[in-house]
Amino acid sequence: AQSVTQLDSHVSVSEGTPVLLRCNYSSSYSPSLFWYVQHPNKGLQLLLKYTSAATLVKGINGFEAEFKKSETSFHLTKPSAHMSDAAEYFCVVSSNNAGNMLTFGGGTRLMVKP
Amino acid sequence: NAGVTQTPKFQVLKTGQSMTLQCAQDMNHNSMYWYRQDPGMGLRLIYYSASEGTTDKGEVPNGYNVSRLNKREFSLRLESAAPSQTSVYFCASMWEVSGNTIYFGEGSWLTVV
Repeated sequence: AQSVTQLDSHVSVSEGTPVLLRCNYSSSYSPSLFWYVQHPNKGLQLLLKYTSAATLVKGINGFEAEFKKSETSFHLTKPSAHMSDAAEYFCVVSSNNAGNMLTFGGGTRLMVKP
Repeated sequence: NAGVTQTPKFQVLKTGQSMTLQCAQDMNHNSMYWYRQDPGMGLRLIYYSASEGTTDKGEVPNGYNVSRLNKREFSLRLESAAPSQTSVYFCASMWEVSGNTIYFGEGSWLTVV
């Protein structure tokens, strides 16, 4: 079985300050991990993905995430928040052992204050 | 290259009516999925299809049926709609070759009154 826990349902930061969205996963086999962003009333856009290559993954819009196997974590970070980053973020795990099933975290809503 | 296409984008149904959500992908992916998204609950898997001709239940299959018509198309049917099925529905497909990259449709907003 596999699972994903996003540790914060809401995160609020000021514009220009760092962003940290936390994700822990559980998977019996080597997983693929993803972060998706969803702006209000929109579909899901891929930010970045980890697929057993480099553990530090760079994505779009200045986001990056680090895969830490020992901590079973895949936290999403950005050095400086922008107002346009306000959205909901989903951490997703997939493994071939689970029949390529996708398991979503519950989501973290990021609010950015001016 | 359209990716994953869902129709309709918006639909209002009366309780007890039936409808089918259509999904098609033009990327030759084997795996396809239907999710529903409800406020505060993330995305929950309704049904998935690992390959043409196969379908399996996900986390919340009750009240739904699916059909994998061919490799491109994966439809979701509500036989007798209920207000609890008011949700946003997302179809997705997966490219297993390169790290299970997932592609989503733009969503279908369904309201059952």
